[in-house]
Amino acid sequence: DADVTQTPRNRITKTGKRIMLECSQTKGHDRMYWYRQDPGLGLRLIYYSFDVKDINKGEISDGYSVSRQAQAKFSLSLESAIPNQTALYFCATSAGAGGEQYFGPGTRLTVT
Amino acid sequence: LAKTTQPISMDSYEGQEVNITCSHNNIATNDYITWYQQFPSQGPRFIIQGYKTKVTNEVASLFIPADRKSSTLSLPRVSLSDTAVYYCLVGVETDKLIFGTGTRLQVFP
Repeated sequence: DADVTQTPRNRITKTGKRIMLECSQTKGHDRMYWYRQDPGLGLRLIYYSFDVKDINKGEISDGYSVSRQAQAKFSLSLESAIPNQTALYFCATSAGAGGEQYFGPGTRLTVT
Repeated sequence: LAKTTQPISMDSYEGQEVNITCSHNNIATNDYITWYQQFPSQGPRFIIQGYKTKVTNEVASLFIPADRKSSTLSLPRVSLSDTAVYYCLVGVETDKLIFGTGTRLQVFP
């Protein structure tokens, strides 16, 4: 079984809809991250969490919110989706500072 | 934040050694250098990490000169399956790491 799972894997939604992307991990890591990747570009950090009670904004948090329901679960929400949020979204975990990040398979989100 | 510069793309043939160099002139004393590999529509995968001199694992080698202002990822005897984007990251705290556009390696038969 995969260490980091994301659901859904693909999603098409309309402008203005609320959507939630979910991430679960079995690594036992405290740190979890959400990134987005646009075609031909690198990953950009949206939000990160160092433990259940800790949530931090990343480089591009506007238009997104997150929830850390448990050590193993970290959800990303788009309250009112817009077309320029069409992207590939990755969840990742790590054990600590400077540690290797383990990425999920990604969620391809299309906002029409 | 330590900025990195890598070639946008590189081509190679199967069986050759590939060296991808990353420049990071303003690397801080505590920063580590980490390389990730990403296949299309997949999440990045950790390849190797180092602080100074040379690090080798079953996949690659990482060469870091004494001034640490650059690093070179070396992939021995590449195969078609090594076609991917390779990212060089410099830093300590994961939230401070920047994935640039990476180096797109194309391996030909």
